[in-house]
Amino acid sequence: DQQVKQNSPSLSVQEGRISILNCDYTNSMFDYFLWYKKYPAEGPTFLISISSIKDKNEDGRFTVFLNKSAKHLSLHIVPSQPGDSAVYFCAAKGGGSNYKLTFGKGTLLTVNP
Amino acid sequence: NAGVTQTPKFQVLKTGQSMTLQCAQDMNHNSMYWYRQDPGMGLRLIYYSASEGTTDKGEVPNGYNVSRLNKREFSLRLESAAPSQTSVYFCASREGSGASQPQHFGDGTRLSIL
Repeated sequence: DQQVKQNSPSLSVQEGRISILNCDYTNSMFDYFLWYKKYPAEGPTFLISISSIKDKNEDGRFTVFLNKSAKHLSLHIVPSQPGDSAVYFCAAKGGGSNYKLTFGKGTLLTVNP
Repeated sequence: NAGVTQTPKFQVLKTGQSMTLQCAQDMNHNSMYWYRQDPGMGLRLIYYSASEGTTDKGEVPNGYNVSRLNKREFSLRLESAAPSQTSVYFCASREGSGASQPQHFGDGTRLSIL
């Protein structure tokens, strides 16, 4: 049973426009959510996170929105740049003291010049 | 500024062979993790070590063993490799204090088992 779902395997946007990546989860015990970015042949790198007690977190061009009632979060990238082309993973941390993450399958973002 | 270093980067094994994947971090982090990533899949947790001297199973531990050698090093061992263990393996570390501290990943080991 997949607890973190990224239903879009890929997304293509034009440079300068907004990219919106979506993530749904099923486990109401998740209390922290993260987005990681991954380039080919490299490890994932942390991008931005949000606690379950918040509904928005912003860091430069990146904003994460959390809708707890819908069990949905999204990552907005504005404006999108060609260097943003990568696979984006949504991850969720279960409640409690053990820091274990459950990852989605990822969305390949392509930003076209 | 090395961060998390994984060795080797690539390896080909025959079914039944054994191998140890090495991971070292230089950030003085308390927690370390091993994941595998298969095509079209997210990262799945194999084992983790919340602190030096402790290890726990993750989502997919069967066929693997781990050793937290010291605070810096966390190794993953395949005792008898199987083709189903062909994957990219990622090691990660985390400071361990507070949910806002993210995991930092190495660049992975690509393992093929024939």
